[in-house]
Amino acid sequence: EAGVTQFPSHSVIEKGQTVTLRCDPISGHDNLYWYRRVMGKEIKFLLHFVKESKQDESGMPNNRFLAERTGGTYSTLKVQPAELEDSGVYFCASSLAREGTEAFFGQGTRLTVV
Amino acid sequence: QKEVEQDPGPLSVPEGAIVSLNCTYSNSAFQYFMWYRQYSRKGPELLMYTYSSGNKEDGRFTAQVDKSSKYISLFIRDSQPSDSATYLCAMSAASDGGYQKVTFGTGTKLQVIP
Repeated sequence: EAGVTQFPSHSVIEKGQTVTLRCDPISGHDNLYWYRRVMGKEIKFLLHFVKESKQDESGMPNNRFLAERTGGTYSTLKVQPAELEDSGVYFCASSLAREGTEAFFGQGTRLTVV
Repeated sequence: QKEVEQDPGPLSVPEGAIVSLNCTYSNSAFQYFMWYRQYSRKGPELLMYTYSSGNKEDGRFTAQVDKSSKYISLFIRDSQPSDSATYLCAMSAASDGGYQKVTFGTGTKLQVIP
């Protein structure tokens, strides 16, 4: 069974540009999460989808970030326009359990804004 | 003050040693307690989780939760070089709708020397 897959693995963009990250969760996992790790800091929650609905987006930093999960399958996270402080590793995770306890993580997308 | 505190290390031990990794937390609402292992350039991998207080053992790994002290531990017996990784504690509390929101520690980097 395929795990959680994220694309691209690494992205370097200039400040002001737009970047879209993609996450393909494990098939059948209704719960999908986005997290971000800024260098030297802990992994921080961004948002949680249950199927196609946003259950909790309290961790989204500002309105430059837009997450979608069309049809309750894959998800995208768009940053527009990107700022220097958006650099970090963006992780996607999926789980069957609503508790999020048995979440499977993707390998992450390393975003560098220059 | 961070909700979850974890010593970043690095922690170096000889092969075969018993490793003790710890986290403290301040949010008494945390109900699930998890330990993740993360190899370099990979996503976090769930090792084990416990609900509320108590111990849980899985092979060479033992997780302990002391809710009265707001303190959790992960013990690794007979440590192996392949255990060299960053270990992340994570905890979750119920959010609106009954779903759990996960908070991570910064991670402790462990090196097991052959």
